[in-house]
Amino acid sequence: GQSLEQPSEVTAVEGAIVQINCTYQTSGFYGLSWYQQHDGGAPTFLSYNALDGLEETGRFSSFLSRSDSYGYLLLQELQMKDSASYFCAVGSFISSGSARQLTFGSGTQLTVLP
Amino acid sequence: NAGVTQTPKFQVLKTGQSMTLQCAQDMNHEYMSWYRQDPGMGLRLIHYSVGAGITDQGEVPNGYNVSRSTTEDFPLRLLSAAPSQTSVYFCASSWTGSTEAFFGQGTRLTVV
Repeated sequence: GQSLEQPSEVTAVEGAIVQINCTYQTSGFYGLSWYQQHDGGAPTFLSYNALDGLEETGRFSSFLSRSDSYGYLLLQELQMKDSASYFCAVGSFISSGSARQLTFGSGTQLTVLP
Repeated sequence: NAGVTQTPKFQVLKTGQSMTLQCAQDMNHEYMSWYRQDPGMGLRLIHYSVGAGITDQGEVPNGYNVSRSTTEDFPLRLLSAAPSQTSVYFCASSWTGSTEAFFGQGTRLTVV
């Protein structure tokens, strides 16, 4: 089966940089994604890594190392509105064929302090 | 574009009742899925579908049924509601091979 680990809580101050790590164990891996979810809202897609390296999208960057089964989400110039839960999610193929799953971690609650 | 539309937003059921959570998407996505979200446990996959007429079980399928008669619709049926099914349910859709999933706004279900 699949398993993902990420910290349950992270706290940082406005303007700081924070890194949220994610380690995973899965077979049939094809990519790692990150999602943001504000209280009472739906998860929204932030980024996707299929290959090793860093992907940058504005203040957010995501990194993947397939050999280490590890990735992270980097949030720069933190703002109060970044306070939310962040989920890593692993895409994996199931057995043969095109059947696949998107498995989510338990989420990291980020609190940004003024 | 409406994206992914879930109904209802809130529902209270009595133990043993059945109901259907509706999910529709207008993006012509092949892949659709249902998740439940409980505090501290992230999103757990209930059932998924890779196209019309094809469904399969996820991590926590017991007590739920799905069908996919069209590309657009993917309803989730609770056969006999139990208090353990109190949760927030999300429907999602995406292109095949993509991990960019689009989520509905969720259904908050309470079983008493």
